[in-house]
Amino acid sequence: DGGITQSPKYLFRKEGQNVTLSCEQNLNHDAMYWYRQDPGQGLRLIYYSQIVNDFQKGDIAEGYSVSREKKESFPLTVTSAQKNPTAFYLCASCSPVGGEKLFFGSGTQLSVL
Amino acid sequence: QKEVEQDPGPLSVPEGAIVSLNCTYSNSAFQYFMWYRQYSRKGPELLMYTYSSGNKEDGRFTAQVDKSSKYISLFIRDSQPSDSATYLCAMTRGTGRRALTFGSGTRLQVQP
Repeated sequence: DGGITQSPKYLFRKEGQNVTLSCEQNLNHDAMYWYRQDPGQGLRLIYYSQIVNDFQKGDIAEGYSVSREKKESFPLTVTSAQKNPTAFYLCASCSPVGGEKLFFGSGTQLSVL
Repeated sequence: QKEVEQDPGPLSVPEGAIVSLNCTYSNSAFQYFMWYRQYSRKGPELLMYTYSSGNKEDGRFTAQVDKSSKYISLFIRDSQPSDSATYLCAMTRGTGRRALTFGSGTRLQVQP
C-alpha cells in the first residue's frame, strides 16, 4: 500500500538531547513537508523540500534541521536549541500532478522528559 | 491577525443534523481551498478540494467558496457520530508549492 510512514509514534526527549523523527513515503512524490501542531493552533510549517538535496525553511524553522538525501525520505531533527519541542509533528507529501493536495502521515508525538 | 481564521468550537450537534463549518481568510491571492478531517492523534485526511469560487459536492459533504467575501464553508448532511473529529480548512496561492496555510481547526462532536 502506498503511503507516508512516520516513526516513532511517540518520542521522549531529555534536556539537551537531539532527536530525529523519521518520514518515509512510497508515493513517488517530489515535495515533502514537516508541520508542527500545537493544541488550538492548527498546523505550522517547519521545513519543506521540493526536490532531493534541496530544502527551505518554513515559518518556524529555528531549532530544527532536515535532510533530503533520497526522494523517499525526509527526516526531521529536533535539536537542543528548540526550547519548547513538545508537540505533534506531521510529515506530508505532494504529488507534482496532484495540484496542491497534501497527504499526511500518522504523526509523531514528541514530549520532553 | 491570522491569515486564516476558524472558530475552534467545540461544536456539538445531534446525530442527523446538518453541520456548517466555516473559515475566513485575508489573502485574496488564495486560489486552492481544502478541507481536512483529523481524528484525535492521527494525521489529517483530505475531504474536499476546490479551485477558485463555487460549490463542490461529494456524498454528504458540500464545500463552498466565496472569494468575493473571502469565506469558505463545509456542510455535512445527516451527520453521524463517526463524523466527530477536528475539521481543518487549508488554502494556498498555488504557486511554487510552498505549502498550505491552515486554519486552527474546529472540533465537531456528533451526539448519538
